[in-house]
Amino acid sequence: NAGVTQTPKFQVLKTGQSMTLQCAQDMNHNSMYWYRQDPGMGLRLIYYSASEGTTDKGEVPNGYNVSRLNKREFSLRLESAAPSQTSVYFCASRDRGRETEAFFGQGTRLTVV
Amino acid sequence: EDKVVQSPLSLVVHEGDTVTLNCSYEVTNFRSLLWYKQEKKAPTFLFMLTSSGIEKKSGRLSSILDKKELFSILNITATQTGDSAIYLCAGLNAGKSTFGDGTTLTVKP
Repeated sequence: NAGVTQTPKFQVLKTGQSMTLQCAQDMNHNSMYWYRQDPGMGLRLIYYSASEGTTDKGEVPNGYNVSRLNKREFSLRLESAAPSQTSVYFCASRDRGRETEAFFGQGTRLTVV
Repeated sequence: EDKVVQSPLSLVVHEGDTVTLNCSYEVTNFRSLLWYKQEKKAPTFLFMLTSSGIEKKSGRLSSILDKKELFSILNITATQTGDSAIYLCAGLNAGKSTFGDGTTLTVKP
């Protein structure tokens, strides 16, 4: 069972470069989320998609864009990376409408130099 | 704005000790409170609490929710070094989860 798959696992970017983090889930979940986790900061929500075709800003959306490509895939784009975006990024999915846990991908460790 | 606050932020204990981790929340249209354990990688699910006063238990771990006072506790009895991790709680409404900053638990031999 794949669950939630994130790519890449690691990435180093130069300031100003762009990149897209990919996330796919095979559990037929409606809701998908992107979080960032900095040391001592817990998980902060960047964007989420409650269902296919909808996206909403979370706590820390500035500097990011998202695309809910289809029900399975939810990508996160950094248009012009900044050192402040150095973090570990987690994608998660949940079955909306039911009170269930979120399932997490294994994370992407991004360093912006 | 939804908010979840965990305490303490970090805790160091010795094997065999009992610990209590706290989580208070202010979440609009609150539905459930979730606890996760995070070791090196992604968080893994521990408990989901929806009803007040009903303890959920799994081995040495247990948790309870107080919806009147808006908090939850996670208890770990007879701690082991393998319990060392970050423990995250999250308040869930229909749209999303709001996470606390986590409690880092270190269990020394």
